[in-house]
Amino acid sequence: DAKTTQPPSMDCAEGRAANLPCNHSTISGNEYVYWYRQIHSQGPQYIIHGLKNNETNEMASLIITEDRKSSTLILPHATLRDTAVYYCIVSSYTGANSKLTFGKGITLSVRP
Amino acid sequence: GAGVSQTPSNKVTEKGKYVELRCDPISGHTALYWYRQSLGQGPEFLIYFQGTGAADDSGLPNDRFFAVRPEGSVSTLKIQRTERGDSAVYLCASSNSRWGGRYTGELFFGEGSRLTVL
Repeated sequence: DAKTTQPPSMDCAEGRAANLPCNHSTISGNEYVYWYRQIHSQGPQYIIHGLKNNETNEMASLIITEDRKSSTLILPHATLRDTAVYYCIVSSYTGANSKLTFGKGITLSVRP
Repeated sequence: GAGVSQTPSNKVTEKGKYVELRCDPISGHTALYWYRQSLGQGPEFLIYFQGTGAADDSGLPNDRFFAVRPEGSVSTLKIQRTERGDSAVYLCASSNSRWGGRYTGELFFGEGSRLTVL
């Protein structure tokens, strides 16, 4: 899997948008960008994934740059419950490579 | 239950002992993963099953670690001669999510089994 680079931490105010960056400059053409989050003492939770188009679901939006070398996860209205470690992962997730390799992630702290 | 279930939630053992950790995946999920997570680190891949067979066991750290999934559902992670360095949270995940004919990479994780080796 291609490696990703994330800042170690960031914070944002409750109710504001949280924009979490991720660099993946060596991503291959068949690799997807995945975002997971892990709230303290729980297992990781899938948030969203995309290939090259921007994606949106009930949890978040994923913006992937045109060259696909970086992406941003957007939580439009952060709440205290969004405080967690967020992992950006790239993977082709197919055949022999059907696994996800987690890095250290970025710790998001939402302040009241 | 509807989610991935792992037992025990906590296990304390002594160095040198044998340990088994169990994972009940979501019903019908064909893919099952084991990860382990040390404090302050992201989950580390151990092994991946597709059905009954281990499709990728490249993450198992040594031959003290072994996992089985005999009927393609429940899986057991077995650790022989435990060492203090094996202390971690062991996470299990399952998946069967497809989109456009391919698996989507949406893994459903359990709460983990916290192993402490004294």
